[in-house]
Amino acid sequence: AQKITQTQPGMFVQEKEAVTLDCTYDTSDPSYGLFWYKQPSSGEMIFLIYQGSYDQQNATEGRYSLNFQKARKSANLVISASQLGDSAMYFCAVIQTGANSKLTFGKGITLSVRP
Amino acid sequence: EAGVAQSPRYKIIEKRQSVAFWCNPISGHATLYWYQQILGQGPKLLIQFQNNGVVDDSQLPKDRFSAERLKGVDSTLKIQPAKLEDSAVYLCASSSSSGTSGRREFFGPGTRLTVL
Repeated sequence: AQKITQTQPGMFVQEKEAVTLDCTYDTSDPSYGLFWYKQPSSGEMIFLIYQGSYDQQNATEGRYSLNFQKARKSANLVISASQLGDSAMYFCAVIQTGANSKLTFGKGITLSVRP
Repeated sequence: EAGVAQSPRYKIIEKRQSVAFWCNPISGHATLYWYQQILGQGPKLLIQFQNNGVVDDSQLPKDRFSAERLKGVDSTLKIQPAKLEDSAVYLCASSSSSGTSGRREFFGPGTRLTVL
């Protein structure tokens, strides 16, 4: 069984500053993948970043980076230079390796960017 | 490239009524997913199709929910009869790969269902 924990209450950040969104996970599989998705008020889930459990380097995608600490089972998302359009819900998800595995999502974190 | 299309965007029904949702995935994507997202929670997978075959429906309440993907392209999800607890956003997603590292799911805008 897999589990994602996102416990931060609503997060606020000033425009142009960096923010870290926390995610811890639990999985029994030694090989797995971690995802972050953004869900704006329009409702569509948007893929942000992926980290494989055996990847040597932390994943980066533009302003998004993933602070992956495998021993702590932590996969925090760092957003640099926040923009007003970053205001949204952010979901962390885990998947076990293998074809046809399913994503397990956390409850999400609300991020609000202040001008 | 056109994204994942879903309709309707909103639906309000009385309990015990039936409802159907439609999804058209990104062209060429073999894998299609239906998720249920209850307010305040993350999406939960209901069913996963690989082409027109079901590969995971372990979390689908089969006594009232059904889904099909004819010809391996678009898909419909039906609820019959609906219950109050079915009020949620129903998200459809598709991906070109069902593996792990290549698994990038593209989501539609969702259908918001309210059961009164």
